[in-house]
Amino acid sequence: DTEVTQTPKHLVMGMTNKKSLKCEQHMGHRAMYWYKQKAKKPPELMFVYSYEKLSINESVPSRFSPECPNSSLLNLHLHALQPEDSALYLCASSQEGNLAGRQETQYFGPGTRLLVL
Amino acid sequence: AQKITQTQPGMFVQEKEAVTLDCTYDTSDQSYGLFWYKQPSSGEMIFLIYQGSYDEQNATEGRYSLNFQKARKSANLVISASQLGDSAMYFCAMREANAGGTSYGKLTFGQGTILTVHP
Repeated sequence: DTEVTQTPKHLVMGMTNKKSLKCEQHMGHRAMYWYKQKAKKPPELMFVYSYEKLSINESVPSRFSPECPNSSLLNLHLHALQPEDSALYLCASSQEGNLAGRQETQYFGPGTRLLVL
Repeated sequence: AQKITQTQPGMFVQEKEAVTLDCTYDTSDQSYGLFWYKQPSSGEMIFLIYQGSYDEQNATEGRYSLNFQKARKSANLVISASQLGDSAMYFCAMREANAGGTSYGKLTFGQGTILTVHP
């Protein structure tokens, strides 16, 4: 089973709203990722969690706040977003490692399409 | 310098024919992994195939194969017997083992190739 689930599938929010994106995996993976993707562009890494601790923050604005409550769940809390934050937000997970082996393949969820008005 | 280069913004292929999507990469690491992903218009990134830098044989997964030429630093994806459902964006990506620091856990993606399969 290589399933990563994300909710909601679509989200429309105003610039003053607070919302959260959720991601869940049950593959026993200990690394989880948030990516932002604009149309017809490659995904851009935002955050990496390793063993439930934040290991990489790619200089993401503080209006994006990640949280990893346990090894299966990853949240992205959104507050005071800008229209330019409208994008597809992808969650991924992988086994932990630093050997660039096949076991470290990142498996992605279906994404949340976010529109900020 | 770009680490992953996909030179074909768009490709067209007739149904049932084979197509090759190009990918070249740049790294000084000896240990690295190369990945291809498919992204339909629905948005999900679907893992297709993996090639390790030490693998001596080209990877194959069903209709997908990877033409790995290490000396030329290329990792082209070959799709045989194209189907209408293959129409999608395809991304080549690389994971470097020894990047360390802030590169740990990072996939570097190419700009992608949009494949259109004609009936």
